Amino acid sequence: QSALTQPASVSGSPGHSITISCTGTSSDVGGYNSVSWFQQHPGKAPKLMIYEVNNRPSGISNRFSGSKSGNTASLTISGLQAEDEADYYCTSFTRSSTWVFGGGTRLTVL
Amino acid sequence: VHLVESGGGLVQPGGSLRLSCAASGFTFSTYWMNWVRQAPGKGLVWVSHINQDGTNTNYADSVKGRFTISRDNAKNTLYLQMNSLRIEDTAVYYCASDLRIPPDYWGQGALVTVSS
Repeated sequence: QSALTQPASVSGSPGHSITISCTGTSSDVGGYNSVSWFQQHPGKAPKLMIYEVNNRPSGISNRFSGSKSGNTASLTISGLQAEDEADYYCTSFTRSSTWVFGGGTRLTVL
Repeated sequence: VHLVESGGGLVQPGGSLRLSCAASGFTFSTYWMNWVRQAPGKGLVWVSHINQDGTNTNYADSVKGRFTISRDNAKNTLYLQMNSLRIEDTAVYYCASDLRIPPDYWGQGALVTVSS
């Protein structure tokens, strides 16, 4: 159950786009479409932003999008806004019928 | 919708604690439920989940054999029995609904500190 691999940090300017990668294996990300992305602001509980690779829950801005290629999933945030500054975590269902999170990515809006 | 964790606190290594998560505002009995933890300043780590009627449970390798997840649908409550606690189990423990699909419901977290 090794954690999925995410970059520790990314940054971007307001109005620009960023992409966060999430790399696993064929036993998790590559083998299932149960990949979700969560946003977490300091001191707050996580919030679901993307589910099943590329679906947005009701109420989530269409500036957030997800994709997957092979063993790597990605979260793209377009039109960066100050309130997007947060930690982002990917998670995937696994062949062992468990879940595994990525290590998290700190997004800084410059 | 509310998920309210309780039962956290300070415990010595080797000790036990039971966390509870009281649910309200949604049909608790129809959801898979999870425990997710976050050590201070660290990332999210999945701990365990349980299916709707409590017949299917899974655990992270790091807690297997020491932690037990359970639920009481009549009381709308999720539990996590934690035995043989280690210093590395120190974290905020969140209860959360299904990680796979929305809606996602999360508690405010319960802090568990394992220290001598």
